[in-house]
Amino acid sequence: EAQVTQNPRYLITVTGKKLTVTCSQNMNHEYMSWYRQDPGLGLRQIYYSMNVEVTDKGDVPEGYKVSRKEKRNFPLILESPSPNQTSLYFCASSYRDRDYGYTFGSGTRLTVV
Amino acid sequence: QQQVKQSPQSLIVQKGGISIINCAYENTAFDYFPWYQQFPGKGPALLIAIRPDVSEKKEGRFTISFNKSAKQFSLHIMDSQPGDSATYFCAALKAAGNKLTFGGGTRVLVKP
Repeated sequence: EAQVTQNPRYLITVTGKKLTVTCSQNMNHEYMSWYRQDPGLGLRQIYYSMNVEVTDKGDVPEGYKVSRKEKRNFPLILESPSPNQTSLYFCASSYRDRDYGYTFGSGTRLTVV
Repeated sequence: QQQVKQSPQSLIVQKGGISIINCAYENTAFDYFPWYQQFPGKGPALLIAIRPDVSEKKEGRFTISFNKSAKQFSLHIMDSQPGDSATYFCAALKAAGNKLTFGGGTRVLVKP
């Protein structure tokens, strides 16, 4: 089944404790992206990657890091999480230069206390 | 600054009624305008999309109307069903860079 898999689904952590949210896709998509979803703000792009070893900032990159060492994986790293990073996070992937159909993961609900 | 503005934030409609969600965009460099549907606990899923050179697109009970001069587009859900209860996001895509910009979302509740 074609899918984007995120882990974990739920995470509660304390301020300052480094964490990683994993994302993996099995569709051989070139493009991958991370979004955060907050009430009334929709989904805002954090970082994206056009291909392996090519990443760039989205609209709200502060406090986040990403890497793209393999085509299928695109982990999101919070080096020192803060309460304002409490949010619902989605990873998405798509073909580049083909259609506009992003495939989203099921989300990771992160709470930073 | 939100480049895609969506309204209303929430909507209640009776079964069989019409749900209408409106979006306006500011950047004329967008190439595609998709709508996504999101159920609780799930990620958004592509519902229907339109190119800016088309004024209307219909797929089943879902219709997008697009007004390029006004920089507005809307989603109409005809004969709304309880299973349509979800959050709907309009979006705009810049093909260069493949960036998708979302509206704030509309929570639709269809009452039986």
